[in-house]
Amino acid sequence: DTAVSQTPKYLVTQMGNDKSIKCEQNLGHDTMYWYKQDSKKFLKIMFSYNNKELIINETVPNRFSPKSPDKAHLNLHINSLELGDSAVYFCASSQAAGGPHEQFFGPGTRLTVL
Amino acid sequence: QKEVEQDPGPLSVPEGAIVSLNCTYSNSAFQYFMWYRQYSRKGPELLMYTYSSGNKEDGRFTAQVDKSSKYISLFIRDSQPSDSATYLCAMEFANAGKSTFGDGTTLTVKP
Repeated sequence: DTAVSQTPKYLVTQMGNDKSIKCEQNLGHDTMYWYKQDSKKFLKIMFSYNNKELIINETVPNRFSPKSPDKAHLNLHINSLELGDSAVYFCASSQAAGGPHEQFFGPGTRLTVL
Repeated sequence: QKEVEQDPGPLSVPEGAIVSLNCTYSNSAFQYFMWYRQYSRKGPELLMYTYSSGNKEDGRFTAQVDKSSKYISLFIRDSQPSDSATYLCAMEFANAGKSTFGDGTTLTVKP
C-alpha cells in the first residue's frame, strides 16, 4: 500500500534515554515533516526536509535531531529524553508543486517518558 | 496570540444535526485554507481545502472562507456518528512549504 509509515507505534522509555523514530513514505513526495501533537491535540511542526535538505527548523531543543538519508526517509533521534517530550509524533509528506501542501500523515508514534 | 485560533470544544451533537466548526486567524497573507479530520489514534487526513474567499462543497461538507473577517468555517450537514473525530483547520502562505494548524475541535455525533 502507498502510505507514510512510522516505527515504532509505541515507545515507553525512561528519562535520560536516547531514542529514535523512523519514517518512510512511498508516495514519491519531495518534502517530509515531523510534527509533535500534545495531549490537547495541538499539532506543532518541528522540522521539514525537501529532497534531503533541511528547510524548516522550528524552535526545537537541540536534543532533537532529524536525519534524512534519502527523500523517502526521515528519522528523528531524541537525546536525553525529558518528561515533557511525552507526546504523539507524526511524520508527514507532501508534494510541493504549487497550491496547498496537502500533507499525508503517518499513524503516529506515541512516546511516553517515565 | 496564536496565528490560528480554534475552539477546542468538545462539541457533542445528535445524529442528523448541522455542525459548524470555525477558525479565526490574524495574518491576512494566508492564501490556502484547509480542513483535516483526525480519528482517534490516527494521523490527520485532508478533508478539503479552499483558495481565497468563497465556499466549496463536497457532499455533506461545506468549507467557507471570509478573508475580510479572517474567519473560516466547516459545515457538516446531516451529521453521522462516523463524523466523530477531531477537526483541525490549517492555513498556508503561498509557496510557504508548511501549514499552520489550529488546535483542533473534537466532535462527537451521538446516534
